[in-house]
Amino acid sequence: GDSVTQMEGPVTLSEEAFLTINCTYTATGYPSLFWYVQYPGEGLQLLLKATKADDKGSNKGFEATYRKETTSFHLEKGSVQVSDSAVYFCALSTNAGGTSYGKLTFGQGTILTVHP
Amino acid sequence: GAGVSQTPSNKVTEKGKYVELRCDPISGHTALYWYRQSLGQGPEFLIYFQGTGAADDSGLPNDRFFAVRPEGSVSTLKIQRTERGDSAVYLCASSLPTDTQYFGPGTRLTVL
Repeated sequence: GDSVTQMEGPVTLSEEAFLTINCTYTATGYPSLFWYVQYPGEGLQLLLKATKADDKGSNKGFEATYRKETTSFHLEKGSVQVSDSAVYFCALSTNAGGTSYGKLTFGQGTILTVHP
Repeated sequence: GAGVSQTPSNKVTEKGKYVELRCDPISGHTALYWYRQSLGQGPEFLIYFQGTGAADDSGLPNDRFFAVRPEGSVSTLKIQRTERGDSAVYLCASSLPTDTQYFGPGTRLTVL
C-alpha cells in the first residue's frame, strides 16, 4: 500500500538557519504530493503541493520538488524564523487527476523548533 | 468565511460507552473526510464522503465505527463500545471536488 516516510525529528534550529525535512514515499500509480503544517493550537493547513514529476511547490519561502526518480519530496527553506515552529507533515494522494481528491496518506510528522 | 468546525472539542468517556463526533464542513463543500491522529503520528484516513454517500470507507478500523452524512453537509462519526485504544484526535476535512482539503481543529477523544 501507499506510505510516506519522514525524517525522524524533532528538528531544532536557530533563526535564519537552512531547513531540510526529508520525505520519501511509496505509492501505486502516480501520486500528488503535499506538505501540511500544524502550528501550535491550530488545525492542519496545506503549505504546498506538487502534482507531477519535477514540479516545484512553494509557499511562504518553503519549497519542495517532486522527484520521481528518488521518490522524494524534501521540504526546504533558506532562512527559518521563530514563527515557522510547527509540526510538518508530508502526504500523498493517488487519486486520478493530480488533485487532493480522495484520501491522503500522511507521514508521521516532524516537529520543528526555531530559537531566536 | 467560516472554516470546518468540529464538536465537541474534547470528549472524555468510559470504556464501553457510545460517542458521537460532529463535523460541520465549509459551506458548499461536497467532499468530506474523517481522519484519526494518534499521539506523535500523522493523521490516518478513516472515511470519505462525496455528497451523502460514503465513497471510500476502507480506513474504518472495525464495525464499531460508523459515519453518516444524511443531507450532504454535516457528518457524524459514531463509535460504539469504545475502547481505550480509540483515544486519539479525530479530524474532519472538507473540500470542493478535485481541490485542497481544509481541516477542522479536531475532537480529542479520551476513553478511560
